[in-house]
Amino acid sequence: GNSVTQMEGPVTLSEEAFLTINCTYTATGYPSLFWYVQYPGEGLQLLLKATKADDKGSNKGFEATYRKETTSFHLEKGSVQVSDSAVYFCALVTGANNLFFGTGTRLTVIP
Amino acid sequence: ETGVTQTPRHLVMGMTNKKSLKCEQHLGHNAMYWYKQSAKKPLELMFVYNFKEQTENNSVPSRFSPECPNSSHLFLHLHTLQPEDSALYLCASSQDLGTQTYNEQFFGPGTRLTVL
Repeated sequence: GNSVTQMEGPVTLSEEAFLTINCTYTATGYPSLFWYVQYPGEGLQLLLKATKADDKGSNKGFEATYRKETTSFHLEKGSVQVSDSAVYFCALVTGANNLFFGTGTRLTVIP
Repeated sequence: ETGVTQTPRHLVMGMTNKKSLKCEQHLGHNAMYWYKQSAKKPLELMFVYNFKEQTENNSVPSRFSPECPNSSHLFLHLHTLQPEDSALYLCASSQDLGTQTYNEQFFGPGTRLTVL
């Protein structure tokens, strides 16, 4: 079946620290992979995506590389800001509509 | 209004009440979704509507009843809920092109439901 496992939070970092949030997946077929972000009081927003092996998705300084050999899609950012504080969700899709999400990782960045 | 809106943002109800959640999308999309977000659990897809037709029902209890009167509006009617149904209910929409290609889903801010 399809599933996503991401590191449990919460994660607390100081401003300008390096961020990694781990995500691994199990999927039938060839999934596309996503990171969504949920800021306080808002809905989920697509942060970045990768549709095939070795693709790198990037947006707003965040990056994630689709690693088929390790079935991983870890999220990284070199220098986090207070405004990055949010909940981050890893997700995959194998068809047109069926998104499978991880449990979410809450990130808090302190000045 | 832009994007996907949901009302109410917060709802407290007793187990014997009947209430409805409303979602409206202003994006011209033809597919709409209900998700349940519970603490420490993955988002769960509940229902999918394509072109106003329900195409997916992920074994959701009958105490949740969706309604999609047109491609812009989606309701979730609630009755005789249980305390474990307390969660954040998210609505989303997308433009389904009828292929097996994923099209980005745009999410509303959610309704925080508490069942007493």
